[in-house]
Amino acid sequence: SQTIHQWPATLVQPVGSPLSLECTVEGTSNPNLYWYRQAAGRGLQLLFYSVGIGQISSEVPQNLSASRPQDRQFILSSKKLLLSDSGFYLCAWSVGSGKNIQYFGAGTRLSVL
Amino acid sequence: DAKTTQPNSMESNEEEPVHLPCNHSTISGTDYIHWYRQLPSQGPEYVIHGLTSNVNNRMASLAIAEDRKSSTLILHRATLRDAAVYYCIRGRGGSQGNLIFGKGTKLSVKP
Repeated sequence: SQTIHQWPATLVQPVGSPLSLECTVEGTSNPNLYWYRQAAGRGLQLLFYSVGIGQISSEVPQNLSASRPQDRQFILSSKKLLLSDSGFYLCAWSVGSGKNIQYFGAGTRLSVL
Repeated sequence: DAKTTQPNSMESNEEEPVHLPCNHSTISGTDYIHWYRQLPSQGPEYVIHGLTSNVNNRMASLAIAEDRKSSTLILHRATLRDAAVYYCIRGRGGSQGNLIFGKGTKLSVKP
């Protein structure tokens, strides 16, 4: 069966520090991968998606970047965190190009202080 | 723009059916209707999806209006564990992250 792993579960970082969040998927090949952010009390906002290694599409301009160095690995990064980067970050995967059913990880709660 | 409209909140009693409505009046012919739910401090969980016909699975049923401009997620017997935010989403087929989450309906279940 397929599983998705995100870490860490929680993270507290000072303003101006770098960020690296990692997401890996097991049990499937060539998944589509997604990074979402959820601000407190808000809906999910799609940040990046990837249909293959090295292929990244950005949905919104921001202080963040994403990379996909391996088929089942998706990394969210920042060189210098801002207070506004605080939120709940979620990784998701899907397969195929049909119904686009997405399966989410447990999320990382990031607090930038 | 989520392009779906849901009530902000609903309440239900435990072991009673729950009907969660969603309006998607501008839906196109190729858009699927997806439902996800999100428990507190967890990632969203896929519930069900449909295109034109009503759908049933082990979690819920999805009733789609004939004109596809609205749909209803039906939980047949609500449990306390069903308390969550339920998102109704228009999703196009394809890999490009076309699931746009709105604010959803916060469902409370009373014992």
